[in-house]
Amino acid sequence: SQTIHQWPATLVQPVGSPLSLECTVEGTSNPNLYWYRQAAGRGLQLLFYSVGIGQISSEVPQNLSASRPQDRQFILSSKKLLLSDSGFYLCAWTSGYGNTIYFGEGSWLTVV
Amino acid sequence: AQSVTQPDIHITVSEGASLELRCNYSYGATPYLFWYVQSPGQGLQLLLKYFSGDTLVQGIKGFEAEFKRSQSSFNLRKPSVHWSDAAEYFCAVGVAGGFKTIFGAGTRLFVKA
Repeated sequence: SQTIHQWPATLVQPVGSPLSLECTVEGTSNPNLYWYRQAAGRGLQLLFYSVGIGQISSEVPQNLSASRPQDRQFILSSKKLLLSDSGFYLCAWTSGYGNTIYFGEGSWLTVV
Repeated sequence: AQSVTQPDIHITVSEGASLELRCNYSYGATPYLFWYVQSPGQGLQLLLKYFSGDTLVQGIKGFEAEFKRSQSSFNLRKPSVHWSDAAEYFCAVGVAGGFKTIFGAGTRLFVKA
């Protein structure tokens, strides 16, 4: 069966510091991968998605970037965090076009 | 542009009462529709999905949803709510021709004894 893991689960970082959140999927190949951010009362905002290694699409201009160095690995990064980057980040995957999206456990980021 | 609207930010129901959470979408073609549930501090769990066929779909935990094309709606229902159903519920639409799933803002369900 397929599983998705993301880490760290909780992170407290000072303003201006770098960020790296990692996500891996097991039990499938060539998944579509996603990073969402969740803010209270605003639902899930799609940040990035990737349909293959090295292919990244950005949905919202921001202080973050994403990379996909391997087929089942998706990384969310920032060179310098802002207070506004605080939130709950969710990695997700689908097996293809229009299919069910499955989520990781989420990562709480607090920028102080 | 595609969008999903959940008009109720929060709903409170008594345990044992029936529940209906509303969802409306805006999309030009037949959508893929989903309902997810999220407990505090956790990821989202799929409750049910509609791709095609029977417009009344059954999901886990006793939930069901009905797709009504004429109303662009996909409302979630449960005949008898349990205290453990208290959570946040998200309606979502999968966009054909792309790879994106768009989510509503969510409805938080409170269950009172």
